[in-house]
Amino acid sequence: KNQVEQSPQSLIILEGKNCTLQCNYTVSPFSNLRWYKQDTGRGPVSLTIMTFSENTKSNGRYTATLDADTKQSSLHITASQLSDSASYICVVSPGGDMRFGAGTRLTVKP
Amino acid sequence: DGGITQSPKYLFRKEGQNVTLSCEQNLNHDAMYWYRQDPGQGLRLIYYSQIVNDFQKGDIAEGYSVSREKKESFPLTVTSAQKNPTAFYLCASSSGLAGGPYEQYFGPGTRLTVT
Repeated sequence: KNQVEQSPQSLIILEGKNCTLQCNYTVSPFSNLRWYKQDTGRGPVSLTIMTFSENTKSNGRYTATLDADTKQSSLHITASQLSDSASYICVVSPGGDMRFGAGTRLTVKP
Repeated sequence: DGGITQSPKYLFRKEGQNVTLSCEQNLNHDAMYWYRQDPGQGLRLIYYSQIVNDFQKGDIAEGYSVSREKKESFPLTVTSAQKNPTAFYLCASSSGLAGGPYEQYFGPGTRLTVT
């Protein structure tokens, strides 16, 4: 069983709408959690990195939250744009390596 | 123009042939990594290197080999021993230890198809 579970697997929204992607993890101990955006056929690009003491972090229209007690994180996208269509990957590190979720495939339609 | 380059973007090989994927970085990073990405799965670590002339096996190293003779370069060889080599291969680098609070930068990837 993967130690990093993301939901939903895929999501379709209309341009301009908001959405929230979920990441639940069982990785222990916890060092940091990252969210990446990956366009089709490209390498992932970092959106945020959060350590244990941080419970929210923003990068433009992207806001990540972290609840280390319940081992949950979310990525909220505000006022979606067509260019937000991509896979979003949650990555959790216990400190020595990185554990990748399978990603959520987001499609933004006009 | 700093970053990580991978070449080629698409690679086709016949079964039984070894093939080498290139990864170069000019970010002056000590650590470099190779990942494999398959549909519906998270990235899986093949090999990583934290310093020149040293590298470590990741979770799925069987059928792969690497070298790290220069800081800038970390080529990956997919050997004929790899049972399912068709995949998207991603190279990455970071300034610090894997899993630490360091940005990990990814290359554009190489899609390998073996028939």
